[in-house]
Amino acid sequence: EDQVTQSPEALRLQEGESSSLNCSYTVSGLRGLFWYRQDPGKGPEFLFTLYSAGEEKEKERLKATLTKKESFLHITAPKPEDSATYLCAVISGNTPLVFGKGTRLSVIA
Amino acid sequence: DSGVTQTPKHLITATGQRVTLRCSPRSGDLSVYWYQQSLDQGLQFLIQYYNGEERAKGNILERFSAQQFPDLHSELNLSSLELGDSALYFCASSPHRLLLAGGSTDTQYFGPGTRLTVL
Repeated sequence: EDQVTQSPEALRLQEGESSSLNCSYTVSGLRGLFWYRQDPGKGPEFLFTLYSAGEEKEKERLKATLTKKESFLHITAPKPEDSATYLCAVISGNTPLVFGKGTRLSVIA
Repeated sequence: DSGVTQTPKHLITATGQRVTLRCSPRSGDLSVYWYQQSLDQGLQFLIQYYNGEERAKGNILERFSAQQFPDLHSELNLSSLELGDSALYFCASSPHRLLLAGGSTDTQYFGPGTRLTVL
């Protein structure tokens, strides 16, 4: 059974303090890994898709990387508006999208 | 704004009742997915439709059913509601069904959700 584990569960950063969120996965034949951002009570907002180990994607202060067993979401010089829950999800074989439980990020001014 | 719309935004009902949640996918998207999100379980896949046909099923209870209409909008029907069914229900859409062999996987774009409260 596909499994996605995100760590830490919660992260509190000072504004400008860079850090990384981890998503480790156990799947048979990864076909894609997705990062989403979710604000409280709102729908997940798509950030990145990664397909193969070594791939990297960037958007503003966020950079996502992928290895054969995990993905990292690096946040550089975060701002308070980056506060949200960040969700990782994977798809493999013919299974539907499997989500991790997320990392709740708080950025304090 | 993802382009996916869901109605209603909030729904409060009693145990034993039946409700219908509605989703309109992004223009041109053929696949619709339904998810349930509760505090302790995270986002759980319920069911997928592609161009009117059921394509994949997740942890969907027998009390729940869905369909996709010719205009591609979808409805999720929840019946004999229980307190534990209280959750956020999200719809997502993507251009094509997720291919079972080869090809690329399409990103799913999520709607704003329907918050269901069962009293």
